[in-house]
Amino acid sequence: GAGVSQTPSNKVTEKGKYVELRCDPISGHTALYWYRQSLGQGPEFLIYFQGTGAADDSGLPNDRFFAVRPEGSVSTLKIQRTERGDSAVYLCASSLSRSDNEQFFGPGTRLTVL
Amino acid sequence: RKEVEQDPGPFNVPEGATVAFNCTYSNSASQSFFWYRQDCRKEPKLLMSVYSSGNEDGRFTAQLNRASQYISLLIRDSKLSDSATYLCVVFCPSGNTPLVFGKGTRLSVIA
Repeated sequence: GAGVSQTPSNKVTEKGKYVELRCDPISGHTALYWYRQSLGQGPEFLIYFQGTGAADDSGLPNDRFFAVRPEGSVSTLKIQRTERGDSAVYLCASSLSRSDNEQFFGPGTRLTVL
Repeated sequence: RKEVEQDPGPFNVPEGATVAFNCTYSNSASQSFFWYRQDCRKEPKLLMSVYSSGNEDGRFTAQLNRASQYISLLIRDSKLSDSATYLCVVFCPSGNTPLVFGKGTRLSVIA
């Protein structure tokens, strides 16, 4: 596809469960970012990949959050032992290379933890 | 002090009005600046980059004042379709996080 895609679009889970959120960036984009956006807030940076490696994971809130990008394309954000406070829209973005280039966002995954 | 601060609004303006949004940033090492637009329940999309000399794109004008660490966005002749949240975004490679978003300013253009 032409844009960034994310699956699922919505995810409802119970407190304590494990979830995986997937991002498929624009083909050829080496930089990939994960953000979390709560209602009334701007996107909050979580982690940034350059190729396969996590260039900056300083935004991950705690060790329950983990992300991978094994082949430098698709990325998965993994959340263990989900908590109600994890409920938010998780946005993925990609850019051609450097992190100050235009970022193209996916439609997001709305995560609800009951 | 938050890294990027914006007036959350909402700004309710009639069609045809001129409206201005302001944004301040705290890290003087910030290098690049952007305005993104986000429609309700949609993803953010780049509206325009902000250059030191100021730049214009149709009805939209962006200004940067590095000395005051201040960015602005001016929208002239507002259209109903301009209704959205406008996010101020700052890139600072030496900061805690490379790209920092403000909370956004909500604009409603009313017929």
